[in-house]
Amino acid sequence: SQQGEEDPQALSIQEGENATMNCSYKTSINNLQWYRQNSGRGLVHLILIRSNEREKHSGRLRVTLDTSKKSSSLLITASRAADTASYFCATDSNDYKLSFGAGTTVTVRA
Amino acid sequence: DTGVSQDPRHKITKRGQNVTFRCDPISEHNRLYWYRQTLGQGPEFLTYFQNEAQLEKSRLLSDRFSAERPKGSFSTLEIQRTEQGDSAMYLCASSPSGSFNEQFFGPGTRLTVL
Repeated sequence: SQQGEEDPQALSIQEGENATMNCSYKTSINNLQWYRQNSGRGLVHLILIRSNEREKHSGRLRVTLDTSKKSSSLLITASRAADTASYFCATDSNDYKLSFGAGTTVTVRA
Repeated sequence: DTGVSQDPRHKITKRGQNVTFRCDPISEHNRLYWYRQTLGQGPEFLTYFQNEAQLEKSRLLSDRFSAERPKGSFSTLEIQRTEQGDSAMYLCASSPSGSFNEQFFGPGTRLTVL
């Protein structure tokens, strides 16, 4: 079963705009990770935030985590056409297997 | 390229045939994972190896599925008597122990069962 749920399911934005997507999960976690997947390809790790962290930045990415609400958000600033992909949150509850949501499909229009 | 590799990238087979996939993890990673991903969904955990020991199998892994990691390096996933419902992308990932479980994924093997 999939623990995480991303929202929205799909997002279409203009190049240069910001993209925000959210993830909610059900059980307590050790950490939460975001991955990107280009169509038909493997997943690329973007960022990991530990359960005792509230915010983390990596380049144009900003991730927040609210463990009281069991939710996380991923913000991509100044989007580019190359950001077109599906984005998944993954929770780690037990130090090995990851539980993924169904993903948010982001389309960046030129 | 020292990332995770998977072979083959695509496999088309007829229902009832057996198929085997191979995964070569990043060389210093002792943890290896298999996931399955169907269209429009996120990956679902199948099984996990720490070195050569298979430590957990998901209930998704029926008796027709078997995975091995004989020398703690590469791994194989075999599906016997394939069914149309087995059609999916099979993803392999690896991670070093002692990390925060950041997993590095391979490109996947797309299986189509006709």
